[in-house]
Amino acid sequence: EVNLTQSGGRVVRPGGSLRISCEVSGFIFVDYDMTWVRQVPGKGLEWLSGINWSGARTSYADSVKGRFTISRDDAKNSLYLEMTNLGVEDTGVYYCARVQGAGGREFFDYWGQGTLVTVSS
Amino acid sequence: DIQMTQSPTSLAASVGDRVTITCRASQYIDTYINWYQHKPGKAPKVLIYGASSLQSGVPRRFSGGGSGTDFTLTIASLQPEDFATYYCQQSYRTPRSFGQGTRVEI
Repeated sequence: EVNLTQSGGRVVRPGGSLRISCEVSGFIFVDYDMTWVRQVPGKGLEWLSGINWSGARTSYADSVKGRFTISRDDAKNSLYLEMTNLGVEDTGVYYCARVQGAGGREFFDYWGQGTLVTVSS
Repeated sequence: DIQMTQSPTSLAASVGDRVTITCRASQYIDTYINWYQHKPGKAPKVLIYGASSLQSGVPRRFSGGGSGTDFTLTIASLQPEDFATYYCQQSYRTPRSFGQGTRVEI
């Protein structure tokens, strides 16, 4: 059974940093690209970042480029999102997801349960 | 960046209704579009990928169509468990943008 288990919710001050994680099981982690998506309160889903199976290629939404870093540790079957210079607008639920398919014919087939990140003073 | 625009933003419907949601891409995306269902407190769930392919385990009352810039998600006969927010998402270019969502409510 495929499972993506995310780290717990956190509260962080504006300007602060945070790393959230996503531990996977039930599939061969190194065979898949992975991604992060968030939902800000009262708004829709927002794609944030993606990383390919080897970790050699990463991509980011403009809203987080230069502040967020995606990474993976294949030995730990884990995906990470390092977030810096956080603002109140980054408050939301963050989801990790597995990428199925390739060459643009991609979709997100399994998702984590979500991590609530609250940026507040 | 590719913008995805859904319509309507919300709709009221009854059990048994046929519901159609549309999504327009700001540029050509072939059939590189996916549809997700999202319920409060739960993870999103993929329904349709590649514009018209039904994800395994998804009921056949869900269908997708379109190519180029205009796409549809249709629910043939709305069931109580289908009340949720639906999102389109393009996979043609990075960033992999989502539509703003369509809330389906009673």
